[in-house]
Amino acid sequence: QKEVEQDPGPLSVPEGAIVSLNCTYSNSAFQYFMWYRQYSRKGPELLMYTYSSGNKEDGRFTAQVDKSSKYISLFIRDSQPSDSATYLCAIMDSNYQLIWGAGTKLIIKP
Amino acid sequence: DTAVSQTPKYLVTQMGNDKSIKCEQNLGHDTMYWYKQDSKKFLKIMFSYNNKELIINETVPNRFSPKSPDKAHLNLHINSLELGDSAVYFCASSRERDYYGYTFGSGTRLTVV
Repeated sequence: QKEVEQDPGPLSVPEGAIVSLNCTYSNSAFQYFMWYRQYSRKGPELLMYTYSSGNKEDGRFTAQVDKSSKYISLFIRDSQPSDSATYLCAIMDSNYQLIWGAGTKLIIKP
Repeated sequence: DTAVSQTPKYLVTQMGNDKSIKCEQNLGHDTMYWYKQDSKKFLKIMFSYNNKELIINETVPNRFSPKSPDKAHLNLHINSLELGDSAVYFCASSRERDYYGYTFGSGTRLTVV
């Protein structure tokens, strides 16, 4: 079993829809969770990070961590074509190393 | 601009050649990394390096070697290039013992022919 599992998609939704992106992880000791966005031919950029359980909101984006289920989510409200990208979840281990999901390719259709 | 910058952006070369990719960060970060991203977009750590410690992913062939002239630079040297080395290579940096993630460069697309 991989330490972090993420469906690679692609996930295609119409403009304006609510998008839900998810990852599961195996180590219950993990505490720091991140979402990166990667546009085509660009490097990943940090979108949001959360510590422990709960929600964090930033504009149209909400990151959610459920430690009891070992499940992290990124929600995008009112999705726009400019949100089309690959979204990678990443979890930082106790050695400050990032463990990456495979990335989900998101396509927002106008 | 504060950033992680890599050169070149594109590199096409023949099998057997030796090549280097350069990386510079002006963020004042202590730790730098090299990642390889394959065609399926999976990010694989190759090296992490600060002025105290080089951590090498054991799956990385010894044809790959990081070279750091100073804290702001971490170059990647590759000997005897193979077809399977074709990928996008990303440099990244972070503050030591910082839980707030890494800053990435825009990548070097390496094609070995």
